[in-house]
Amino acid sequence: QQQVKQSPQSLIVQKGGISIINCAYENTAFDYFPWYQQFPGKGPALLIAIRPDVSEKKEGRFTISFNKSAKQFSLHIMDSQPGDSATYFCAAMTSGSRLTFGEGTQLTVNP
Amino acid sequence: GAVVSQHPSRVICKSGTSVKIECRSLDFQATTMFWYRQFPKQSLMLMATSNEGSKATYEQGVEKDKFLINHASLTLSTLTVTSAHPEDSSFYICSAEKGQLYYEQYFGPGTRLTVT
Repeated sequence: QQQVKQSPQSLIVQKGGISIINCAYENTAFDYFPWYQQFPGKGPALLIAIRPDVSEKKEGRFTISFNKSAKQFSLHIMDSQPGDSATYFCAAMTSGSRLTFGEGTQLTVNP
Repeated sequence: GAVVSQHPSRVICKSGTSVKIECRSLDFQATTMFWYRQFPKQSLMLMATSNEGSKATYEQGVEKDKFLINHASLTLSTLTVTSAHPEDSSFYICSAEKGQLYYEQYFGPGTRLTVT
């Protein structure tokens, strides 16, 4: 019940395209859903996060869509750039719990 | 800001030796810090949760006598890999929880450990 399932495992997008990464969870107690971006050899950095009281959050080219009834959330990267090439992790947690990470998606944006 | 540093960034050691990795919160106090390890092309795996002034809580399957964690101050936690073996080679990442907001976790840049 603590798992967060992430797909796809890898994604190749052309420059200017939209990258979409999906995650699903089981634990309805989760109330915080962050996305992290990780470059090779670096620690993960918080990209954007959402709480279940809203269905969408947008920050620049990055948007989280949240579907509470389906227990799913997704990251959309608009106008994808080669510099966005990295591994993306979704995660979920609630007060008193640990961050539960998805398996990760390796995004490659071709120029 | 909320910056977490780790030292060293890379370390190579011989099998059987011990290695200490430091994790510091530079501009905030962290009552709770977390240690993760990450194998190539895999997700982060939580090893232990460390609270300032108390013993760390280890995840199932993590040997507490092999991975010694000390959280002596509100800005410093250390992970010591004792009697390291090649299978301990991994990327170790810490994170720090800022204040009382459980969801504000900031990650360090990671430490690449190679045991020869």
